[in-house]
Amino acid sequence: DAGVIQSPRHEVTEMGQEVTLRCKPISGHDYLFWYRQTMMRGLELLIYFNNNVPIDDSGMPEDRFSAKMPNASFSTLKIQPSEPRDSAVYFCASSLVDRGNNQPQHFGDGTRLSIL
Amino acid sequence: GQNIDQPTEMTATEGAIVQINCTYQTSGFNGLFWYQQHAGEAPTFLSYNVLDGLEEKGRFSSFLSRSKGYSYLLLKELQMKDSASYLCAVRDMRDTGFQKLVFGTGTRLLVSP
Repeated sequence: DAGVIQSPRHEVTEMGQEVTLRCKPISGHDYLFWYRQTMMRGLELLIYFNNNVPIDDSGMPEDRFSAKMPNASFSTLKIQPSEPRDSAVYFCASSLVDRGNNQPQHFGDGTRLSIL
Repeated sequence: GQNIDQPTEMTATEGAIVQINCTYQTSGFNGLFWYQQHAGEAPTFLSYNVLDGLEEKGRFSSFLSRSKGYSYLLLKELQMKDSASYLCAVRDMRDTGFQKLVFGTGTRLLVSP
């Protein structure tokens, strides 16, 4: 079975440019999560969706960050304009409806973003 | 908010047993997850605890004490491939939709021959 698919795997761009990260969740999963991971702060939740609707975006650092989920099989995280402090690994994860609260989140391989 | 503490780094020898501790503070505890993350790779699910006690899965076990806000991950018969970061994550039922996990910064385990 295909897991969570993210693209690109690596992105290097100059500050001020727009960056778009893409994610395809596991088919049938109802929840989609965007995380950012850095050495200093670890893995931080940015935003998550349930059935394509954003539920909690309190982790989005500022207005430069936006996320969409136009359908059940695709989501984007956009940074515009990008800044060097946005350099991190961005993970997308998905999970099933969790009636028993024990369904784990499945992570993609991440996008390693470097803003010069 | 939540506070999750794990040791930053641990070392152990191949074949040994290691225990990685995690303490947390939350008023609406609703489950604790352990994930393994090899360098440059995605986190992968290891275990889930919501009730007190020990959950065993092969060489890996996870323990939870809700009254103490404490969990540990026990790795037996260590292998070189167990060198990775181990992330503790807590779910708080006060959070929207009960699906939000808060991760600790992880414990980097180095297994030596």
